[in-house]
Amino acid sequence: SQQGEEDPQALSIQEGENATMNCSYKTSINNLQWYRQNSGRGLVHLILIRSNEREKHSGRLRVTLDTSKKSSSLLITASRAADTASYFCATDGGSQGNLIFGKGTKLSVKP
Amino acid sequence: NAGVTQTPKFQVLKTGQSMTLQCAQDMNHEYMSWYRQDPGMGLRLIHYSVGAGITDQGEVPNGYNVSRSTTEDFPLRLLSAAPSQTSVYFCASSYSLGSVEQYFGPGTRLTVT
Repeated sequence: SQQGEEDPQALSIQEGENATMNCSYKTSINNLQWYRQNSGRGLVHLILIRSNEREKHSGRLRVTLDTSKKSSSLLITASRAADTASYFCATDGGSQGNLIFGKGTKLSVKP
Repeated sequence: NAGVTQTPKFQVLKTGQSMTLQCAQDMNHEYMSWYRQDPGMGLRLIHYSVGAGITDQGEVPNGYNVSRSTTEDFPLRLLSAAPSQTSVYFCASSYSLGSVEQYFGPGTRLTVT
């Protein structure tokens, strides 16, 4: 069963704009991660935020976590055409050691 | 280190055929897993292994078998392929069960006609 649900399902913006994607989950977590997947490629780990953290930055990425609302957001600032990809949140709630993934947000950045 | 490798990258099968998707890691990770990714469904766990000789079922195990004879290798077998198994398959590994960082292979795109 899937835990994370990303919102929106698809997002189209112009280069230079900011892109915000949201993720909601259902059960308690120890950490939440964001992955990027370019079309036809594998998953690339972007950033991890632990349950005791509220915000984390990595380059042009900013992640927030609100455990009371069971939600997280990923902000990509000053987007580039190369940011075009699908973005997934994943939580550690799997009892089998697995990550539980959402369905993803498909981001399209137009030059 | 090569990380997690998967072969083949692409495969087309006819219904009823069998095949094995290969996965190997050179990081001495104990935990390995297989996911399938379908459009609009995210990734779902098929099987996993917490060490050599130990495997268990994930969320969607039907139609798949696995074995773990060595720490490095974790092949996924399709015994009798069905069109419903058309998907992209990812292998992942981590240091141990519950490790935060999981490393993913590049994926195998399988089409069953």
